[in-house]
Amino acid sequence: QKEVEQDPGPLSVPEGAIVSLNCTYSNSAFQYFMWYRQYSRKGPELLMYTYSSGNKEDGRFTAQVDKSSKYISLFIRDSQPSDSATYLCAMSRRTSGSARQLTFGSGTQLTVLP
Amino acid sequence: KAGVTQTPRYLIKTRGQQVTLSCSPISGHRSVSWYQQTPGQGLQFLFEYFSETQRNKGNFPGRFSGRQFSNSRSEMNVSTLELGDSALYLCASSLEIDRANGYTFGSGTRLTVV
Repeated sequence: QKEVEQDPGPLSVPEGAIVSLNCTYSNSAFQYFMWYRQYSRKGPELLMYTYSSGNKEDGRFTAQVDKSSKYISLFIRDSQPSDSATYLCAMSRRTSGSARQLTFGSGTQLTVLP
Repeated sequence: KAGVTQTPRYLIKTRGQQVTLSCSPISGHRSVSWYQQTPGQGLQFLFEYFSETQRNKGNFPGRFSGRQFSNSRSEMNVSTLELGDSALYLCASSLEIDRANGYTFGSGTRLTVV
């Protein structure tokens, strides 16, 4: 079983819809939680990161973390065709000393139809 | 502000050869991590360097190695290439390794082994 599970989709929604992307994890050592967006032929781009349980909002994006359920979500409001990309959840844990390691979900491919 | 620069963007190598990939982090960033991205396995952690020292290593064979120079630039080397090494290799830099400011990724080097 993978430490981080993410529904690969693909997910297709009409423009203006609310999108919900989710990840679950099994390792309680994860401390920081991130969402990345990756366009075709590009590297992942950091969208949001959070540390504590609860919600964090940035424009049309809201990241939600529930550590008790080991569950994180990313909500996209008023989705746009330019949001069409692969969304990756990522989690960071300390491995030794001050070293950290990111573990990624498999990514969800999102298409927003005009 | 220049981002993370990876060279070359594309490479085609023959099985059995070796290859060296280069990564220039964002100015001031001392932590550099390498990841392998494939359709089947997603993003997998290779190793992380901080101030010329390898701080962390993923579960990859010894054919995969890396180093970091005093100017924080990093290289990774893959020897005795196998067909399964075909992937997008991503480099990420971070300001501090003990804080989740997030990692900034380059656009990657796409390696094809034939």
